[in-house]
Amino acid sequence: AQTVTQSQPEMSVQEAETVTLSCTYDTSESDYYLFWYKQPPSRQMILVIRQEAYKQQNATENRFSVNFQKAAKSFSLKISDSQLGDAAMYFCAYRANDMRFGAGTRLTVKP
Amino acid sequence: EPEVTQTPSHQVTQMGQEVILRCVPISNHLYFYWYRQILGQKVEFLVSFYNNEISEKSEIFDDQFSVERPDGSNFTLKIRSTKLEDSAMYFCASRTGGPYEQYFGPGTRLTVT
Repeated sequence: AQTVTQSQPEMSVQEAETVTLSCTYDTSESDYYLFWYKQPPSRQMILVIRQEAYKQQNATENRFSVNFQKAAKSFSLKISDSQLGDAAMYFCAYRANDMRFGAGTRLTVKP
Repeated sequence: EPEVTQTPSHQVTQMGQEVILRCVPISNHLYFYWYRQILGQKVEFLVSFYNNEISEKSEIFDDQFSVERPDGSNFTLKIRSTKLEDSAMYFCASRTGGPYEQYFGPGTRLTVT
């Protein structure tokens, strides 16, 4: 069974600083996709970034980047130059067929 | 920009009643999903739907649940006899084929009293 683990229930970062959110997963599949979703208080699920497992290059989207370590089954999210609007729950997700989510990390951004 | 829509935004129902949650996926998408999120917990997969049939379902998706795509645009989740523990946020999602991400709707908050 595929499982996704986010070991940090809560994280805090100072505005303009950098923070890294951890995610590990367990799978026997070789072809899959990984995602980070952001869930603000509105509870809307917003895609932050996507990584295809067959790609060695780490995905980046503006201030958001990932460190994808396939052998270690690790997929961390780095947020640079943190902004107040980045405060939200962040869910790591894995998809081979259906999507599996981690338990989430609540990110607080301090002004 | 096209988006997934869900109605209603909030549904209150009494235990034992049937509810139907509605979703309109993005029009050219082929795969459809339902997820639920109990307050304060993670998002859990319920069911995926492709080519007019269920392609995968989780252990949560028991006989009280059913899904339907009654026409070319709507995708519904029916809960036959609601229980208190069905209270949650229910998200619909859709995607095209291939590696592309799922697009989530804004969710329906279901409260069972």
